[in-house]
Amino acid sequence: EFVLTQSPGTLSLSPGERATLSCRASQSVSSSSLAWYQQKPGQAPRLLIYAISSRATGIPDRFSGSGSGTDFTLTISRLEPEDFAVYYCQQYVSSPFTFGPGTKVDFK
Amino acid sequence: QVHLVESGGGVVQPGGSLRLSCAVSGLMLSGYGMHWVRQAPGKGLEWVAFIRYDGSNTFYADSVKGRFTISRDNSKNTLYLQMNNLRVEDTSLYFCAKDRNGYHSGGVDYWGQGTLVTVSS
Repeated sequence: EFVLTQSPGTLSLSPGERATLSCRASQSVSSSSLAWYQQKPGQAPRLLIYAISSRATGIPDRFSGSGSGTDFTLTISRLEPEDFAVYYCQQYVSSPFTFGPGTKVDFK
Repeated sequence: QVHLVESGGGVVQPGGSLRLSCAVSGLMLSGYGMHWVRQAPGKGLEWVAFIRYDGSNTFYADSVKGRFTISRDNSKNTLYLQMNNLRVEDTSLYFCAKDRNGYHSGGVDYWGQGTLVTVSS
């Protein structure tokens, strides 16, 4: 079973700054089967990135994904006020399709 | 516009059962795999179950295996989750979620707003 760890647990930044979120898998993620989701309070999650680096429909290009093997990164190039939220990575290589514990991006 | 609307949540005693439904509109459900994902109050996301586009295979988290059953009726564009022998730790908001693919998972691209299940005596 894949275990995903995310770091940091909380990232305190200001609008306009760059955010770098990490997701590490307990084993190699094959077939580029890794996604990133954003969740705001009281809302359902939203798909940002799939297949490690492909942006979902309607996602601004300030969001980018990268990585390979066991180490993956979500980068938000310049934080907008609406980007302050919790971000989860998920592997969908094999069942169980585990999520990471999340990284909260909050206001410094 | 794709919409997923869950229903069937509520308060149930430990050991009880509930059946969740997810009505999908805006697309033909028969082309896509579907998931249930849950979120306990104040906690992160936990994947629960996946069913392939045609119902041929189902997959479960260890925490629910043997107690929960995911199923679908493509003619009604509806997804289900039968939950038996419920435990206090099953208390969560349950999301219905559409996969990008039909056979192998490709990640979730649409989510419902969730239905709350509370297991309490």
